[in-house]
Amino acid sequence: DVVMTQSPLSLPVTLGQPASISCRSSQSLVYSDGNTYLNWFQQRPGQSPRRLIYKVSIRDSGVPDRFSGSGSGTDFTLKISRVEAEDVGVYYCMQCTHSPPITFGQGTRLEI
Amino acid sequence: QVQLVESGGGVVQPGRSLRLSCTVSGFTFSIYGMQWVRQAPGKGLEWVAVIWHDGSNKYHADSVKGRFTISRDDSKNTLYLQMNSLRAEDTAVYYCARDLEMSVWGQGTTVIVSS
Repeated sequence: DVVMTQSPLSLPVTLGQPASISCRSSQSLVYSDGNTYLNWFQQRPGQSPRRLIYKVSIRDSGVPDRFSGSGSGTDFTLKISRVEAEDVGVYYCMQCTHSPPITFGQGTRLEI
Repeated sequence: QVQLVESGGGVVQPGRSLRLSCTVSGFTFSIYGMQWVRQAPGKGLEWVAVIWHDGSNKYHADSVKGRFTISRDDSKNTLYLQMNSLRAEDTAVYYCARDLEMSVWGQGTTVIVSS
């Protein structure tokens, strides 16, 4: 199974400042079709997860452009250009290139 | 709009069974694969099972293999998770999600396994 490792696990931030979360996979996430199936999810307190980004860098509809995803192979990053209060929550990376099983990172708790 | 609504959760004794449902609306259910994901109290996300859009393939996590079964009824726009031989460690919020990349999630249903 592919192991997804996120860092940091806790991320204190200041409003208006940037934030960055790293996600590393135990093997390359490039699929045979050339795509890389690495997604990012946000889970606000008391809510269900919501997908923010898919295929490394494509933002879902309605996701603010302060969120961006980047990376390749085994190394990926979620960046928030300027943190807002509504960004508080836990962020997960997920891979479905080598599935089943689909695997998630441990989660990174972003707090103001 | 696109909606996934889980139901069927509750409190159940160890060893008993429960069936979860996920009823969808706002999209053509029959063309999408579907998944179940769970989250134990205070923990992260754990993939549970996936079913292909046509039901031709089903896969389950090792932690539930042989005890849980995913299925679907396209005539009812509903996804199911039959959970047998429940254990305390199955206690979690169970979410259904659309497609392999989990583009849309439901609000979750809570399962508590306790004597």
